[in-house]
Amino acid sequence: QITLKESGPTLVKPTQTLTLTCVFSGFSLSTSGVGVGWIRQPPGKALEWLALIYWDDDKLYTPALESRLTITKDTSKNQVVLTMTNMDPLDTATYYCAHRPVAGRGRFDYWGQGTLVTVSS
Amino acid sequence: QSALTQPPSASGSPGQSVTISCTGTSSDVGGYNYVSWYQQHPGKAPKLMIYDVSNRPSGVPDRFFGSKSGNTASLTVSGLQAEDEADYYCSSYAGSNNPYVFGTGTKVTVL
Repeated sequence: QITLKESGPTLVKPTQTLTLTCVFSGFSLSTSGVGVGWIRQPPGKALEWLALIYWDDDKLYTPALESRLTITKDTSKNQVVLTMTNMDPLDTATYYCAHRPVAGRGRFDYWGQGTLVTVSS
Repeated sequence: QSALTQPPSASGSPGQSVTISCTGTSSDVGGYNYVSWYQQHPGKAPKLMIYDVSNRPSGVPDRFFGSKSGNTASLTVSGLQAEDEADYYCSSYAGSNNPYVFGTGTKVTVL
């Protein structure tokens, strides 16, 4: 059974860098076709895809935030890390990591519980 | 890449049906058969309900039906139940460099 769980700071100051970790189980990020993505959701607003890392270390970012995002993986630890630089109050949101299945173009089939990050001085 | 357009709200009485639209462009919804739908209850993570336009993951009731015509996808929930009251988001593949575009979300109320 696939599970994912996000962790990181609940509060960051403007201009700081956010680092979030996704620890997962039930699948391997070395399996061909598999990926892990990050999605965020500001309070009361819609979902927004941020980044995706594939089993082969290929990485994709949403164009609007690409300059601020970095996604990495540690296959041996079953972890994916997302960093976002120059945080702004508008980045306040619940951040989710999610599993992209093999042949799962355009979908995430398992999601973490999410972690709320507030950006405030 | 703009978000896909959904109506802000939809409602129906128990036992009735409700249909939610998701309008995109030929670069996303219209260009690929990779539309997904997610259900999100308050304070919870999204749950995949439909993928590849009309496929249901294991465990999703067959009351949930997905379809697509041109640049618009739709989710129909028939036999509405109280537990169906939630926010629903569509998502579409939009190319290899932008694999996920989400919709604006629709709040479904069971009257």
